[in-house]
Amino acid sequence: DTGVSQDPRHKITKRGQNVTFRCDPISEHNRLYWYRQTLGQGPEFLTYFQNEAQLEKSRLLSDRFSAERPKGSFSTLEIQRTEQGDSAMYLCASSLAVMETQYFGPGTRLLVL
Amino acid sequence: AQTVTQSQPEMSVQEAETVTLSCTYDTSESDYYLFWYKQPPSRQMILVIRQEAYKQQNATENRFSVNFQKAAKSFSLKISDSQLGDAAMYFCAFSEGGYSTLTFGKGTMLLVSP
Repeated sequence: DTGVSQDPRHKITKRGQNVTFRCDPISEHNRLYWYRQTLGQGPEFLTYFQNEAQLEKSRLLSDRFSAERPKGSFSTLEIQRTEQGDSAMYLCASSLAVMETQYFGPGTRLLVL
Repeated sequence: AQTVTQSQPEMSVQEAETVTLSCTYDTSESDYYLFWYKQPPSRQMILVIRQEAYKQQNATENRFSVNFQKAAKSFSLKISDSQLGDAAMYFCAFSEGGYSTLTFGKGTMLLVSP
């Protein structure tokens, strides 16, 4: 394992359904980040974890979004009652420590119909 | 709030030529970090180069170098001897010191022609 992995890579869902994405960081990295990237834009920060603790959440993360990182390893991002505006690429990144380089995963592309 | 502006939506360069991508940022902080990330089509984002604001010397990584003008809040990326594999979306990003989340610009699409 040499990089950040995300699953699934693509997800198509109907409006109102719940979806869950998974991110597996680089094994020794204790910081994990979630970003959202819409078409033609740069990634926007959603939330991040240090080990299992969720340290910050962006105002972009409405109450329909929840993220977890049990045991400080992989993380999940759940979107409840999806809306068409949730269609985006969801990126995960990890780093060894604060201000260390963030390594990104390939992303999960979500399409809400 | 910090902002990052990339004013060039698209740039073109021929192989072996040099191209410069522009980035400006706005912050009231004195301790911060700047990054250039590359995102090839349908591939994941990778770090190209990083610059610590407290360092006066411009960062270089092989064919990639930056021109960091702290007073002007400018952080441009120069790619020398461009290669076809350099074709990608390039994002400029900012992070406050001790605060690791990244703020990205909208990106510049770099096209490389033979």
